[in-house]
Amino acid sequence: GAGVSQSPSNKVTEKGKDVELRCDPISGHTALYWYRQSLGQGLEFLIYFQGNSAPDKSGLPSDRFSAERTGGSVSTLTIQRTQQEDSAVYLCASSLRPVFGPGTRLTVL
Amino acid sequence: GIQVEQSPPDLILQEGANSTLRCNFSDSVNNLQWFHQNPWGQLINLFYIPSGTKQNGRLSATTVATERYSLLYISSSQTTDSGVYFCAVDRAGGTSYGKLTFGQGTILTVHP
Repeated sequence: GAGVSQSPSNKVTEKGKDVELRCDPISGHTALYWYRQSLGQGLEFLIYFQGNSAPDKSGLPSDRFSAERTGGSVSTLTIQRTQQEDSAVYLCASSLRPVFGPGTRLTVL
Repeated sequence: GIQVEQSPPDLILQEGANSTLRCNFSDSVNNLQWFHQNPWGQLINLFYIPSGTKQNGRLSATTVATERYSLLYISSSQTTDSGVYFCAVDRAGGTSYGKLTFGQGTILTVHP
């Protein structure tokens, strides 16, 4: 596609539920990143995929967070047993020099 | 990890004024990008500039890598320039260019 797309654009969930956030990168881009933006922490790197290499998971804040990238294209970020501090905008980017999608605003009640 | 500091934190301008935003970073980088986050939250890439000078219309940027700072110049500001400007860097020595550490941003408000 023309740009990075993310879905859903907004997600409201209850504490303790699992959520899945989706990212469709720009076609042909082998690099994909997840970031999150929260009031308290600003913009933070979460995870980086590059082709078939093992992902760089060094930014994931806890083992409740995981991400996968199927077929080198679409990526899914999963947050298990959500907590209120997980509330943030989750941003996906592709290309070696990141181009960002519109984000998913997650609210945990 | 690498530290990124932006100044000023807030800036209020009248339409038509010029401004300079600064980004200091604490280590060598292989990537430095300037972003504008518009009121709808979209991060727009302005410049990829790990060194040197670039210009795009009313915007220009200069990075002096040896002194670990970058400057973003906005000339003849317009109300549509309002938003948050972020500087972000990827530390040198890694295999990526997009594992970015962001500064806290400069909030720019341009009044008509």
